[in-house]
Amino acid sequence: DIQMTQSPSSLSASVGDRVTITCRASQDVSNYLAWYQQRPGTVPRLLISAASTLRSGVPSRFSGSGSGTDFTLTISSLQPEDVATYYCQRYDSAPLTFGGGTKVEIE
Amino acid sequence: QVQLVESGGGVVQPGGSLSLSCAASGFTFTSYGLHWVRQAPGKGLEWLAFIRFDASDQYYADSVKGRLTISRDSSKNTLYLQMNNLRAEDTAMYYCAKDLYQNRKVVGAPFDFWGQGTLVTVSS
Repeated sequence: DIQMTQSPSSLSASVGDRVTITCRASQDVSNYLAWYQQRPGTVPRLLISAASTLRSGVPSRFSGSGSGTDFTLTISSLQPEDVATYYCQRYDSAPLTFGGGTKVEIE
Repeated sequence: QVQLVESGGGVVQPGGSLSLSCAASGFTFTSYGLHWVRQAPGKGLEWLAFIRFDASDQYYADSVKGRLTISRDSSKNTLYLQMNNLRAEDTAMYYCAKDLYQNRKVVGAPFDFWGQGTLVTVSS
């Protein structure tokens, strides 16, 4: 099965910083890659589909890029409400594996 | 608005069984594939199972294949997960989630709506 590896597993940054999270697939998943945000105590929320398509209602400071095996989620200017764990997920075929998550905190 | 409401969680002994339900509303139930995903306490997300919009096909994670069965009832707009031979490592919050795309014949799609989850605890 394809493995999804996220890095870093956690990070701490200041408000206004640019934050980048990486997701690497062990095999080519084309652009069948989604990103989710899970704030503490809440359910996951879809941010990005097809590697770079921002879901309606998601702030434009979030962006996604990549294809094949290497993907990134970027927060251009970190805000306090962005404190959360972020997960990537492949959806090219079963199993629809999630990455291990990246916990984002404010310094 | 889309709503997914899970129920059926609880405490069960190792080796026991449990049936989870997910009541859906706010969308055309027969047009969307549905999934079960779990999250162990303090851990990440684990996809478990998928059922196609027309119930014609199901997929499972290897870790649960043979122990979990996903099904759906379009007359009740409800998704189910039958869990057998439960183990301590099955302790988790169980979420149902809906495909972003409708009438998708393949298993792959992102999940645009999630329920609030139902907690399953496997303990003697």
